[in-house]
Amino acid sequence: DGGITQSPKYLFRKEGQNVTLSCEQNLNHDAMYWYRQDPGQGLRLIYYSQIVNDFQKGDIAEGYSVSREKKESFPLTVTSAQKNPTAFYLCASTSPTAAFSFGSGTRLTVV
Amino acid sequence: SQQGEEDPQALSIQEGENATMNCSYKTSINNLQWYRQNSGRGLVHLILIRSNEREKHSGRLRVTLDTSKKSSSLLITASRAADTASYFCATDAEYGNKLVFGAGTILRVKS
Repeated sequence: DGGITQSPKYLFRKEGQNVTLSCEQNLNHDAMYWYRQDPGQGLRLIYYSQIVNDFQKGDIAEGYSVSREKKESFPLTVTSAQKNPTAFYLCASTSPTAAFSFGSGTRLTVV
Repeated sequence: SQQGEEDPQALSIQEGENATMNCSYKTSINNLQWYRQNSGRGLVHLILIRSNEREKHSGRLRVTLDTSKKSSSLLITASRAADTASYFCATDAEYGNKLVFGAGTILRVKS
């Protein structure tokens, strides 16, 4: 079955620590996205990538970094510069002829 | 920045009743999409309506789009307890291929 896999489902980060969230898709989609969701709010775009080896900042990119070395993978690193990282993170992918597909999300908590 | 705004923020109805959610947006769009999110999980694509379409149906879902008013509505007919979820509208702007989400409507269907 094709889909998007995010891991881990739950992640705990200590103050000052960098953590990386994984996102893998086997849908052969060109574009991939990272969104952040805070309680009771909509999704806000962090980063997106339309093709391999290229990515663009979204609305709230500060404190985050990404890479797109492979079409299937778009990992998100939450750096220590992100002052309020506790949130639910969703990865998505799409192609010109398809609707967005979303992963099941990673819940990140700062401890 | 969030483009779409859903109305109402929360809706509670009895099983069998119809549920109507509204979405307003600010800029020109290529299409508008509706998604469902069950608590703490990924988003599921429900329906996409293009800017040149006025109404679209999918099962118990009916979506309308009024580009002159920059608004859309999602109607769920004969609601079921399993429809309990958050519903988001998302706009795909003409100039780009990234979705911008509203804050969502929380729907609770009581059995």
